[in-house]
Amino acid sequence: QVQVQESGPGLVKPSETLSLTCTVSSDSFTSGSFYWSWVRQPAGKGLEWIGRIYASGNTNYNPSLKSRVTMSVDTSKKRFSLKLNSVTAADTAVYYCARVVAAPVYFDNWGQGTLVTVSS
Amino acid sequence: QSALTQTASVSGSPGQSITFSCTGSNSDIGSYDLVSWYQQHPGKAPRLIIHEDSKRPSGVSDRFSASKSGNTASLTISGLQAEDEADYYCCSYSGGGGPLVLFGGGTKVTVL
Repeated sequence: QVQVQESGPGLVKPSETLSLTCTVSSDSFTSGSFYWSWVRQPAGKGLEWIGRIYASGNTNYNPSLKSRVTMSVDTSKKRFSLKLNSVTAADTAVYYCARVVAAPVYFDNWGQGTLVTVSS
Repeated sequence: QSALTQTASVSGSPGQSITFSCTGSNSDIGSYDLVSWYQQHPGKAPRLIIHEDSKRPSGVSDRFSASKSGNTASLTISGLQAEDEADYYCCSYSGGGGPLVLFGGGTKVTVL
């Protein structure tokens, strides 16, 4: 059973950097059949894809966030991370990490989500 | 690249069938057999219920079915039950030059 779990600060000040980590309990972490994504959801709104990272380190980001997003991976610890800089109140959301089955592109395992609030 | 367009809300009585849609474009739904659907109860993470347009993962009730025609995908819930009350999101791979993955805005299903 694959488990993914987000962790990180729940409160970030405006203009600072949001940093989250997702820890994965699965031997599939380094399999090329999967990649790892971040998705966010503002309160009462829909889902927004932030980006993806393969265990190899290859990344793709949502163009709307690309200038502010960095994803990284640590295969030795089965973790991947998200950094979003220059945050504003509009970045307040529940952030989910998820495993994605690569070729058919579907999200088969999700973390429980972590609320990040941007406020001074 | 705009999000996929979903019916905002649908309601039905227990036992009824409901269908709602997700409309994209030739760059996403219309070009790839890669539509997935997710169920989300309040305060919970999304849960995969359909992948690759119409395939159901193991453990998902066969009351959930999906189809696609052109740029529009549809999800049908048969024999509606109280536990089906939730938000439902469609998702598609996109080759349109924008985000690689697009989500719909969500459909709120209410069981009367």
